[in-house]
Amino acid sequence: DAGITQSPRYKITETGRQVTLMCHQTWSHSYMFWYRQDLGHGLRLIYYSAAADITDKGEVPDGYVVSRSKTENFPLTLESATRSQTSVYFCASSKAGGGYNEQFFGPGTRLTVL
Amino acid sequence: RKEVEQDPGPFNVPEGATVAFNCTYSNSASQSFFWYRQDCRKEPKLLMSVYSSGNEDGRFTAQLNRASQYISLLIRDSKLSDSATYLCVVGEGTYKYIFGTGTRLKVLA
Repeated sequence: DAGITQSPRYKITETGRQVTLMCHQTWSHSYMFWYRQDLGHGLRLIYYSAAADITDKGEVPDGYVVSRSKTENFPLTLESATRSQTSVYFCASSKAGGGYNEQFFGPGTRLTVL
Repeated sequence: RKEVEQDPGPFNVPEGATVAFNCTYSNSASQSFFWYRQDCRKEPKLLMSVYSSGNEDGRFTAQLNRASQYISLLIRDSKLSDSATYLCVVGEGTYKYIFGTGTRLKVLA
């Protein structure tokens, strides 16, 4: 099915472990984004990508790494997970940049770091 | 002052009521405006974009007031299924979208 998918949907890990969250979209959208959502905060941008091999930091990038070797995939890696990274992570895509285009979100990954 | 501010609610309204939410934004250079709906523990879904001339989609009407820097969402004839959190989103620049923390709506039978 076309759309944007994330995996895993739920993940429990331990402090210090490396974790990779996957995001895949089938629309060939240029822009992809990673957000985290925590109580009391709006969605906060971690990283974004304007195209394959072009990525840049958002508002809260510390402790995260991204890559984008193919247009359709945008994995997010937590290099050494910390409890403060317990959150719901949403991947999103949009057709183009410029801030005018609607974003479409994946179903989210609920991550718990013990 | 937060970049995008919303009343967290909850707004508890009976079925059939009309309810309105406002969202204020701080950057006068903001370029685009959206309302998203988010159901509990699920992803945000686009409800509507907000244009300078305002726009309407069925029971939903969105307005933009650039002079006062706010956008509004009006829901007429509320349904139980409208119960959700409504997120205000403001677009700035190439990649930046600022999200409000959302307004919770509960439509009561």
